[in-house]
Amino acid sequence: DAGVIQSPRHEVTEMGQEVTLRCKPISGHDYLFWYRQTMMRGLELLIYFNNNVPIDDSGMPEDRFSAKMPNASFSTLKIQPSEPRDSAVYFCASSPLPLGKAEQYFGPGTRLTVT
Amino acid sequence: DAKTTQPNSMESNEEEPVHLPCNHSTISGTDYIHWYRQLPSQGPEYVIHGLTSNVNNRMASLAIAEDRKSSTLILHRATLRDAAVYYCILSGNTGTASKLTFGTGTRLQVTL
Repeated sequence: DAGVIQSPRHEVTEMGQEVTLRCKPISGHDYLFWYRQTMMRGLELLIYFNNNVPIDDSGMPEDRFSAKMPNASFSTLKIQPSEPRDSAVYFCASSPLPLGKAEQYFGPGTRLTVT
Repeated sequence: DAKTTQPNSMESNEEEPVHLPCNHSTISGTDYIHWYRQLPSQGPEYVIHGLTSNVNNRMASLAIAEDRKSSTLILHRATLRDAAVYYCILSGNTGTASKLTFGTGTRLQVTL
């Protein structure tokens, strides 16, 4: 398996623009997670899905952020409109089972820069 | 969520064992102890996890105190490729068990 795939790897955009990050989880994994990492706040969980259904979105910072999982092999994280403080590395991870029973596999991340 | 406390940084010489400590005095009976590491410019990588008994895998060993209020990740022979930030994380075995809450971790430096 190719592992968790994220695209793009780097994204530079101007403030106010819409940004869409994409993730393909490992086949057969029922859990998908979106994290954000910054120097100031470290690694934060934004939202996670189980069987394509959002389970916990309490980490989503505000309404400008939205995430979808239309099918088992694809998820998006959208920021509209983007702001400079959204600059961070965004990671997607997947797991076959609930935590404690299996590890999470992380993708390589998308480095987002909003100018 | 139960919290963990780790030293900010540690140093080790190559080829020597490394013991990375983690304190989790508020751990509950159903919390698993997970360790992940993050190499520079990469996503976090699973290392090991356990509940009560010590665990071994090809990457490391996890020693869990009898009262479970602390644990130690053991790298038996550190290499330069082990230089990373190591995160000790607790997870509940409940409906929200699928969440990982990362702390600040321990930055391990390995020198020749």
